Amino acid sequence: GQQVMQIPQYQHVQEGEDFTTYCNSSTTLSNIQWYKQRPGGHPVFLIQLVKSGEVKKQKRLTFQFGEAKKNSSLHITATQTTDVGTYFCADNNAGNMLTFGGGTRLMVKP
Amino acid sequence: DAGVIQSPRHEVTERGQEVTLRCKPISGHNSLFWYRQTMMRGLELLIYFNNNVPIDDSGMPEDRFSAKMPNASFSTLKIQPSEPRDSAVYFCASSWKGAVETQYFGPGTRLLVL
Repeated sequence: GQQVMQIPQYQHVQEGEDFTTYCNSSTTLSNIQWYKQRPGGHPVFLIQLVKSGEVKKQKRLTFQFGEAKKNSSLHITATQTTDVGTYFCADNNAGNMLTFGGGTRLMVKP
Repeated sequence: DAGVIQSPRHEVTERGQEVTLRCKPISGHNSLFWYRQTMMRGLELLIYFNNNVPIDDSGMPEDRFSAKMPNASFSTLKIQPSEPRDSAVYFCASSWKGAVETQYFGPGTRLLVL
């Protein structure tokens, strides 16, 4: 079946540094959704990308969808301690169902 | 809106006991999902309901797991008998099939089977 892979699994950064997580699939992705899960919390929807090459921004967060729709990325500029958590990408493929990547756990040192 | 409600928030039980997890989706949502999250396996979809009907249960790990959705505002996930390897966080999520099919997750039930 389809697999959605995320790298890296873990990332430690100093506050103020940038951070990027990558999402890859061997098959063409339908739509990509990104979620954030704070430690001890639940996944919370951030954004959905639909079009090939699409780029969306939310304040310090930039989301990209690859031209071939086989990869996506989330970039955080100048990380803050509030950015701590695990970031998941998910392919919105068969109907409402989501196939989640393994997540990237971001830790920020103040 | 109260969001997705799950109960209990924490459950500690012993091997062999029956465990029932409960979920109340967001009012008006027509899709409901049960997920299991562990460090080893990440976030796994167990079962998906649409309009109260189970659509895909291929993620249900064993016959010990069963899920029901008797009406649009309530669902249960039952494990009988429970095993230590069932220890995980179980999330319920709901969505409305529309232009952006965002899934709204509940706070989760943290299950520990001793």
